[in-house]
Amino acid sequence: GQSLEQPSEVTAVEGAIVQINCTYQTSGFYGLSWYQQHDGGAPTFLSYNGLDGLEETGRFSSFLSRSDSYGYLLLQELQMKDSASYFCAVRFKGGATNKLIFGTGTLLAVQP
Amino acid sequence: DVKVTQSSRYLVKRTGEKVFLECVQDMDHENMFWYRQDPGLGLRLIYFSYDVKMKEKGDIPEGYSVSREKKERFSLILESASTNQTSMYLCASSLHRASYEQYFGPGTRLTVT
Repeated sequence: GQSLEQPSEVTAVEGAIVQINCTYQTSGFYGLSWYQQHDGGAPTFLSYNGLDGLEETGRFSSFLSRSDSYGYLLLQELQMKDSASYFCAVRFKGGATNKLIFGTGTLLAVQP
Repeated sequence: DVKVTQSSRYLVKRTGEKVFLECVQDMDHENMFWYRQDPGLGLRLIYFSYDVKMKEKGDIPEGYSVSREKKERFSLILESASTNQTSMYLCASSLHRASYEQYFGPGTRLTVT
C-alpha cells in the first residue's frame, strides 16, 4: 500500500526549532515535497527532496532518508506566522507520474 | 506568478442539485487537479487532467465528473450533490507531467444541505 503518516499536531514556542516527521510505506517514489497551508488559505509549496539528504531554504530545511522510509521538515527560529498545517507529499513510482499523494497533515501551533 | 482561481469561495447547494466548480490557471500548465480536503483526511485526489480533453481518476472519483475543454480551465461536476460531498474543494495545476510542485487555488467551501 501507499500511505504517508504525520503527527496530527505539534506545539512549539517562538524562537524554537521544531521537526515535523513524515513516514511512508511504499515500494518506491520519485521524491518528497512539503506544503504549508494557513487556516483558510491555499496550500503553498515549500520544498522538495529528490535525493537523500538535507535541503535548506532559509529557516526551513527538509530531509529525506529512503533507506529509513522517513523524512522531516525542520523549522528554525519559529515565528508566530509559522502557525499553519504542513503536508508531506510524494509521487509514487508505478502510478501516474504526475499524481501526488498527500499525508494527512500536521497542525503546528506556535505560542508566544 | 502563477495564479489559480476558482469560481466561488463559498457555495451552498441542495441535495440532488447539479453543481459546477470551475478552476482557471493562467500559466499554460499541462496538468490540473481537483482535490477535496476534509479534517483529519488531508488532501484526497478526485480527478486530474494532463491535457485538453484528457482525464484520469484519482483516489475518490465516485460521484464526480470533470471536463477540460480548454487548457486553462478544469471543471469539477457533482452530478447529484449529496450531503457527504460537503467539503473544501481545491484546484491545483503543475507545469509538466513530472513536476513535483503544484500551485493551488484558494478553494471552494461547498455545503450541501
